[in-house]
Amino acid sequence: TQLLEQSPQFLSIQEGENLTVYCNSSSVFSSLQWYRQEPGEGPVLLVTVVTGGEVKKLKRLTFQFGDARKDSSLHITAAQPGDTGLYLCAGFSNSGYALNFGKGTSLLVTP
Amino acid sequence: DTGVSQDPRHKITKRGQNVTFRCDPISEHNRLYWYRQTLGQGPEFLTYFQNEAQLEKSRLLSDRFSAERPKGSFSTLEIQRTEQGDSAMYLCASSLGGWRARTSSTDTQYFGPGTRLTVL
Repeated sequence: TQLLEQSPQFLSIQEGENLTVYCNSSSVFSSLQWYRQEPGEGPVLLVTVVTGGEVKKLKRLTFQFGDARKDSSLHITAAQPGDTGLYLCAGFSNSGYALNFGKGTSLLVTP
Repeated sequence: DTGVSQDPRHKITKRGQNVTFRCDPISEHNRLYWYRQTLGQGPEFLTYFQNEAQLEKSRLLSDRFSAERPKGSFSTLEIQRTEQGDSAMYLCASSLGGWRARTSSTDTQYFGPGTRLTVL
């Protein structure tokens, strides 16, 4: 199993602050995905990064895929309470169908 | 709403009882997945269907678990003789697959809202 480690596990910040969460593995992934999950709901895909060194932006969210395709980061600028949720990174298993998820970073943004 | 739907959303049962969950994927999606998520963890893969064929099963799927997708549309997940350790959120996802998805590595999985199971 290709393990994905996410850090930090929990993050509590105030509205307007910036933050970065990390997703690391000892394995190489063909792509990595970031999901956001709200309590009582399923994960929702935010982005897929495919190319080593790739940077993708989604409004105030910036995603980066490491050059070696073993790690990724998510940076949020000027966080808002609506950003609160569980952020999960995931990569496809060797079979190519199952997603392996990290444990997630639980983010709380207070007004 | 044409997203993935799951029923029921919540299920409370006593240890030893059997439970069955249903998942209706996005129409035209030929791939369907089941995951389990416990508190403080990310989702863990259970099983995968392409049309009606069950092509992959995790070792997490013990003999008490069975999943079906008889007509290649909706799927059911049954847990027999439930145990307290089965308490979790059971998530279903579907994806388009096939030539239109280019490669499996970019085949986007859309998740349903999950069924929260509590075994007393």
